[in-house]
Amino acid sequence: DAKTTQPTSMDCAEGRAANLPCNHSTISGNEYVYWYRQIHSQGPQYIIHGLKNNETNEMASLIITEDRKSSTLILPHATLRDTAVYYCIVRGQLTFGSGTQLTVLP
Amino acid sequence: AAGVIQSPRHLIKEKRETATLKCYPIPRHDTVYWYQQGPGQDPQFLISFYEKMQSDKGSIPDRFSAQQFSDYHSELNMSSLELGDSALYFCASSRYWAGTDTQYFGPGTRLTVL
Repeated sequence: DAKTTQPTSMDCAEGRAANLPCNHSTISGNEYVYWYRQIHSQGPQYIIHGLKNNETNEMASLIITEDRKSSTLILPHATLRDTAVYYCIVRGQLTFGSGTQLTVLP
Repeated sequence: AAGVIQSPRHLIKEKRETATLKCYPIPRHDTVYWYQQGPGQDPQFLISFYEKMQSDKGSIPDRFSAQQFSDYHSELNMSSLELGDSALYFCASSRYWAGTDTQYFGPGTRLTVL
């Protein structure tokens, strides 16, 4: 299974863009990248997924490098409610691993 | 939109007792996943079912078993409960389509073993 690595924690000022990186250097050509987040003790929430093209939805944007070995989740205007643990997962990797604790500061 | 339903939301048991957690997936979803999340830890995959057959197995203890029924709901049975089984248990469901299978999670069941 492909493995992902993410920074342990990040801070972001409210109203600014939050850019969360993820490394997935062993990803296979047909494996999608998924992003989830978990707000304290709630069920993980799906954010976005992509294969090789950049994707955008109402929650976030996903930028995937051309070689697909890394990606960045962008929250364009972070709010205090975006404080959560963010997980980057490659399809087939059922274990979440350690995500990034994003803290949005007022 | 309908979401994943888990019951009960909270459960308190004594050591060595048994517990059964239930999960009702989103309609037309064919895959169910179970995760365990201990205090301060990341969710750990336990087991999954696709079309009522076990599809993947993670770090599920031998004391635990699970199944998916004909109506696609799933139950996680836990026997000889230990203090260390106290955790949040999440169920997720997905439907495979075009190479993707986005998991949608339920609110979880908080199990406390005394």
